[in-house]
Amino acid sequence: QKEVEQNSGPLSVPEGAIASLNCTYSDRGSQSFFWYRQYSGKSPELIMSIYSNGDKEDGRFTAQLNKASQYVSLLIRDSQPSDSATYLCAVNTNAGKSTFGDGTTLTVKP
Amino acid sequence: GAGVSQSPSNKVTEKGKDVELRCDPISGHTALYWYRQSLGQGLEFLIYFQGNSAPDKSGLPSDRFSAERTGGSVSTLTIQRTQQEDSAVYLCASTLLAGGTDTQYFGPGTRLTVL
Repeated sequence: QKEVEQNSGPLSVPEGAIASLNCTYSDRGSQSFFWYRQYSGKSPELIMSIYSNGDKEDGRFTAQLNKASQYVSLLIRDSQPSDSATYLCAVNTNAGKSTFGDGTTLTVKP
Repeated sequence: GAGVSQSPSNKVTEKGKDVELRCDPISGHTALYWYRQSLGQGLEFLIYFQGNSAPDKSGLPSDRFSAERTGGSVSTLTIQRTQQEDSAVYLCASTLLAGGTDTQYFGPGTRLTVL
């Protein structure tokens, strides 16, 4: 079992729809959770960070964390073609080690 | 301000040669990470430098891989006796704060091709 698992995708949604990306992790000592977006041929860039249970909203993006279920998700509302990218879930321990999932590729169709 | 820079951007080498990859983190950033990303895959953690603490080398795939961070700033990843399976994009990231709670800022990567 991988330490951080994501839906392999690809995920395809129509423009304006909600895209839901999921991530599970195995290390119960994990403290910090991040979603990065990576366009093809580019480096990852931060979308959201979340540290405590519950929801965190930033514009069209909502991150959800459930430490009991070891689950973190990212919702993208009103999806746009420019949201088409690979989304990487990263899970960090308080020692600083960072483990990434393999990513979910999202395509938003106009 | 300047972001994370990496050099070279591309490196083609022959099997068995040694290569050095360089990372210049954002000035003042405490922590520095190295990752490897193969085509269509996620980021594979290699090594983590955190201030003056001993680095976390748990992700280095073999003893052919080593890394240094001099003066708490520039880092060099060295791969000895390169193999074809070492071909990948090597990414460096830095964070302002140590301890894993902070955003990672990534460099553009070095694409390594081993023939």
